[in-house]
Amino acid sequence: EPEVTQTPSHQVTQMGQEVILRCVPISNHLYFYWYRQILGQKVEFLVSFYNNEISEKSEIFDDQFSVERPDGSNFTLKIRSTKLEDSAMYFCASSGRTGTSYNSPLHFGNGTRLTVT
Amino acid sequence: DQQVKQNSPSLSVQEGRISILNCDYTNSMFDYFLWYKKYPAEGPTFLISISSIKDKNEDGRFTVFLNKSAKHLSLHIVPSQPGDSAVYFCAANSGYALNFGKGTSLLVTP
Repeated sequence: EPEVTQTPSHQVTQMGQEVILRCVPISNHLYFYWYRQILGQKVEFLVSFYNNEISEKSEIFDDQFSVERPDGSNFTLKIRSTKLEDSAMYFCASSGRTGTSYNSPLHFGNGTRLTVT
Repeated sequence: DQQVKQNSPSLSVQEGRISILNCDYTNSMFDYFLWYKKYPAEGPTFLISISSIKDKNEDGRFTVFLNKSAKHLSLHIVPSQPGDSAVYFCAANSGYALNFGKGTSLLVTP
């Protein structure tokens, strides 16, 4: 079964550094997402991406965050200047919903654990 | 702002018995509800969903019930198996985003 893959599985960075988290969504999917889960808290929506642009973003997704689909397969999340509170598990997801059939379940990757020291 | 609430952080059930996981929501605009299962070190895995126009959806051992007037949904697993032990997240769809509850950790004991 096709799956969403994320690299690296664990990233340690110093406060103030830039990080790029990488994802390869399922190949025929059209909608891409980033979620995060801070330890002990719920999974939170960050951003959705469709047709090479952001379709929706949460309050968490401020100017420090950006997303990109640099080629036909990768989907990246960049944090420009990491803060301690950015430490979390970051999940990439994709879905195949098209047109009016918008209720297509998200398929998640296994996540990247980001630790900011 | 918790629009999706799972008030039981954990649940323990004996193998073969029924597991019932509950979820409440506050936003009446939600039109699609999903349950995800999550094992440690893995991402959430889609389990079952229900549209707001239905009150029940069944898939094998898993059944989701929706009570719109009470803004409540539940996931029934019967019979429960040890492999069902995981964290279960309730989620509701509004626009492009999924709003997740905090999860309920289910332990199925032999």
